Amino acid sequence: AQKITQTQPGMFVQEKEAVTLDCTYDTSDQSYGLFWYKQPSSGEMIFLIYQGSYDEQNATEGRYSLNFQKARKSANLVISASQLGDSAMYFCAMRDPSGYSTLTFGKGTMLLVSP
Amino acid sequence: GAGVSQSPRYKVAKRGQDVALRCDPISGHVSLFWYQQALGQGPEFLTYFQNEAQLDKSGLPSDRFFAERPEGSVSTLKIQRTQQEDSAVYLCASSLGTLESYNEQFFGPGTRLTVL
Repeated sequence: AQKITQTQPGMFVQEKEAVTLDCTYDTSDQSYGLFWYKQPSSGEMIFLIYQGSYDEQNATEGRYSLNFQKARKSANLVISASQLGDSAMYFCAMRDPSGYSTLTFGKGTMLLVSP
Repeated sequence: GAGVSQSPRYKVAKRGQDVALRCDPISGHVSLFWYQQALGQGPEFLTYFQNEAQLDKSGLPSDRFFAERPEGSVSTLKIQRTQQEDSAVYLCASSLGTLESYNEQFFGPGTRLTVL
């Protein structure tokens, strides 16, 4: 069974600073995919970034980058130059390669960006 | 619109009532997923459809939960004889392809169900 652990219930960051949200995972599969989603107060899950287990380079999408350390089974999200609109819940998720690509989510980290 | 839509956005039910939650996926998306998100938790998988076929219902918590997608597009999640523990946000997601490929799941805004 897969498991995603997010140990930070909440994080605070000042506007324009960078912040790292932690995610560790547990799987016995060699091939897997890792996702980060943002969930604002409106409730919709917004896809941010994806990392495949065989991708040699860390994924980047604009201000988002994924610090992927396979040996440590960690996939931390780095947000550079935080903006007030980044305040939201952030979820790390893993795609189940043996099933139908369902996602297993962590409990999430609440990020608050202050002016 | 072009995204996944869900209705109603909010539903209040008395314990014991039946409810039906609707999901309109993105047109042409083959895969459809339902997730349940309890307060303060991450979403948890309920069931998966590939077109009209329900291929995985391992996450449905009890036989009071039933889902269908009869024509391979709109899906309905039905909960019979609702209980207080059913209170949660129910998220629907769709993706273009199927397994063995990276397919981003696009989520709807969810239906917040409150059982009194």
